[in-house]
Amino acid sequence: KQEVTQIPAALSVPEGENLVLNCSFTDSAIYNLQWFRQDPGKGLTSLLLIQSSQREQTSGRLNASLDKSSGRSTLYIAASQPGDSATYLCAVRGSWGKLQFGAGTQVVVTP
Amino acid sequence: EADIYQTPRYLVIGTGKKITLECSQTMGHDKMYWYQQDPGMELHLIHYSYGVNSTEKGDLSSESTVSRIRTEHFPLTLESARPSHTSQYLCASTGDTSVYGYTFGSGTRLTVV
Repeated sequence: KQEVTQIPAALSVPEGENLVLNCSFTDSAIYNLQWFRQDPGKGLTSLLLIQSSQREQTSGRLNASLDKSSGRSTLYIAASQPGDSATYLCAVRGSWGKLQFGAGTQVVVTP
Repeated sequence: EADIYQTPRYLVIGTGKKITLECSQTMGHDKMYWYQQDPGMELHLIHYSYGVNSTEKGDLSSESTVSRIRTEHFPLTLESARPSHTSQYLCASTGDTSVYGYTFGSGTRLTVV
């Protein structure tokens, strides 16, 4: 059974610092990995989608890496802003059919 | 613009009422999902569908039911709402092949009083 773990569970940084969020998964037979952002009481917004054949994806200040063989992905957010405060979720899609989520990392960026 | 829509955004309803949460997507996706999420907690899959007339129960047992009569529409129904049903309900869809990511709706926050 696929298990997805996100570390740390919570993170507080001053504005301008870079954020590093970690995601690990136990079954490397994945199709892709997706990073989401969730604001309190809201739905999930897709940030980056990395296919299993890719090493990384970039969008603006966001960069996500994927090491499938070791079961790890890292989301980097450069020069954090208070608007980056949210919960960040990683999720993997594999042959088991359904999306498997981590518990999330709650991020607070202080001005 | 291709997207997934959920209505209503917020719903406050009395105990015993029947409710239907709507979810529609314009992307032609065959696979659709319903998740339940309590505040500050993880998402739990409660229903999914891989196409018209196909529905399955998810990992978390739920008293709700779903139907899939049209590809774009995946409504969730509670026949008799109870306070224990108070939660946020999120709908999602994805394409058939593994290259697709998941798209989520904005959610419905349900409060049963």
